[in-house]
Amino acid sequence: GAVVSQHPSWVICKSGTSVKIECRSLDFQATTMFWYRQFPKQSLMLMATSNEGSKATYEQGVEKDKFLINHASLTLSTLTVTSAHPEDSSFYICSATGGQNTEAFFGQGTRLTVV
Amino acid sequence: DAKTTQPPSMDCAEGRAANLPCNHSTISGNEYVYWYRQIHSQGPQYIIHGLKNNETNEMASLIITEDRKSSTLILPHATLRDTAVYYCIVRSQNYGGSQGNLIFGKGTKLSVKP
Repeated sequence: GAVVSQHPSWVICKSGTSVKIECRSLDFQATTMFWYRQFPKQSLMLMATSNEGSKATYEQGVEKDKFLINHASLTLSTLTVTSAHPEDSSFYICSATGGQNTEAFFGQGTRLTVV
Repeated sequence: DAKTTQPPSMDCAEGRAANLPCNHSTISGNEYVYWYRQIHSQGPQYIIHGLKNNETNEMASLIITEDRKSSTLILPHATLRDTAVYYCIVRSQNYGGSQGNLIFGKGTKLSVKP
């Protein structure tokens, strides 16, 4: 299957700082990328959908000014958690779809811990 | 909300077939059935998808009922590494904008035991 790479795999940051997570499609052009958040023992919750070159569409209850999404190219999307708080600690996962693929492929996830 | 219903957990003996059921009684004509699995602390892994015909690949088989209201994922010879949460998702094949969203339910936690 297609490869989606997410970086970093884990990050620890102090409250009030910002963290950027990268999601790259390595062998296909991702016209659409999705960002999810997963709390312990819960399922994945969709945060936002981003199409290359346009503004992201956020799910209800997700603050767009706190979770900044950029999808400037067909192979890269970034999620920046601004002014992070301990309650933002979670497992963040991206997925990408597009090109000749019809199924969405997922990155390996980023474990964010805010202390 | 997720459009599928799955049992919360299942056990399977190593080497045996694992049959994971999924109900999707409100599926519409242009929606496919997708299966993903998530091994602990990893991103979901695509397994298989289908519209109305049964499908098979190197990982699994997907059996969809004629009325498309339910399906079964079959892992023919389960191994310990197949222990994971399995998600059944219905999704439109049109993935322009937000139409390609994968909405995850709670899935089935499959435990393969020696």
